[in-house]
Amino acid sequence: DAGVTQSPTHLIKTRGQQVTLRCSPKSGHDTVSWYQQALGQGPQFIFQYYEEEERQRGNFPDRFSGHQFPNYSSELNVNALLLGDSALYLCASSLRGPSNYGYTFGSGTRLTVV
Amino acid sequence: LAKTTQPVSMDSYEGQEVNITCSHNNIATNDYITWYQQFPSQGPRFIIQGYKTKVTNEVASLFIPADRKSSTLSLPRVSLSDTAVYYCLVASYGKLTFGQGTILTVHP
Repeated sequence: DAGVTQSPTHLIKTRGQQVTLRCSPKSGHDTVSWYQQALGQGPQFIFQYYEEEERQRGNFPDRFSGHQFPNYSSELNVNALLLGDSALYLCASSLRGPSNYGYTFGSGTRLTVV
Repeated sequence: LAKTTQPVSMDSYEGQEVNITCSHNNIATNDYITWYQQFPSQGPRFIIQGYKTKVTNEVASLFIPADRKSSTLSLPRVSLSDTAVYYCLVASYGKLTFGQGTILTVHP
């Protein structure tokens, strides 16, 4: 049973560049959420996608955008990268939209902006 | 959104029971209390979830008093592999709000 798969595992980008991170949800899940985790901090909610639409959004600027595909996989795009965007980006999948339970997290993509 | 407060760190020894308490004074009626465990460079892993009273599964117990303003995660007989960060969350309609968590260190 495949869990949540994220790619790439590590990435180094230059300030001002753009990056795309990818997530395949756990088998049977149809909802994907993205989180940013800075070193030594808890994960912070970016947004959630369900039925190919952004359903909820945290306090992140418009430089952060996403997409969900018909197969439920998702992408996180970050434009005009800043040094402060360096973090572990986590994808979590769940079932049937906003809920209070059943989240499975991937191991994340470590993004370093230099 | 309800905020949670939990100790920054705790130390224990192998074989002991560990209790981590979390306060969530502004919890709403529809909120559930959820605990996650996270190892370095991995995503959080679900441990247990509850709404009120006591919940037990194969790895932990969760105690929630009647006023629901706090909760206690109990880990029986911890081992070295339980060294991790433990997060208490109040889950509100899909937006999980993580605090800084409790760093639990288990010593031999």
